[in-house]
Amino acid sequence: NFMLTQPHSVSESPGKAVTISCTRSSGSIASNYVQWYQQRPGSSPTNVIYDDTQRPPGVPDRFSGSIDSSSNSASLTISGLKTEDEAEYFCQSYDSRNVVFGGGTKLSVL
Amino acid sequence: QVLLVQSGAEVRKPGASVKVSCTTSGYTFTAYFLHWVRQAPGQGLEWMGWINPFTGATDFAHKFQGRVTMARDMSISTAYMELSSLRSDDTAIYYCTRGGYNWIDASYFWGQGTLVTVSS
Repeated sequence: NFMLTQPHSVSESPGKAVTISCTRSSGSIASNYVQWYQQRPGSSPTNVIYDDTQRPPGVPDRFSGSIDSSSNSASLTISGLKTEDEAEYFCQSYDSRNVVFGGGTKLSVL
Repeated sequence: QVLLVQSGAEVRKPGASVKVSCTTSGYTFTAYFLHWVRQAPGQGLEWMGWINPFTGATDFAHKFQGRVTMARDMSISTAYMELSSLRSDDTAIYYCTRGGYNWIDASYFWGQGTLVTVSS
């Protein structure tokens, strides 16, 4: 199995932008889609980015996803930060038979 | 609208089994894969496996093989996850999630979660 490594926490001020990275330990990040989930305290996760870069209906365009093959990582960028974006964010990908989640990144907006 | 409603919280002793249900509505039950994901207290998300509701086929994460069973009842659009030989580190919130037409697709819809507590 491969691993997806995320920073434990990030923080930024309202109105600014933040980028959360997700690095794949083995296998190409570009070979299998990456999904991103937001989880607010006490709630179930919700999907904010699917298939590397796509936004589900209802997710604001402040959320964007990208892939960088040179660092074998995916990134979630949230621009124009709002206090409501404060949550934990998880990346997820897969290989031939397994679905793997990153450890999660706690975003503080302060 | 799409809804996944899970059964209520459970308490079990070590060595026992637990069965969690996930009743779906608002879409064609057999068209989309269902996954089970768990989250231990204060921890991240851990994928357990999937079931294809149309065929009944399943696949599980290696660490759960031999201990987990997934099934479905198409007549009531409900999926089940049963975990046996419970240990204290199985204490977690268990989520069912609806994927896409393929098991690799993102999970757009999640149940509310079922807290399973394993304690003697």
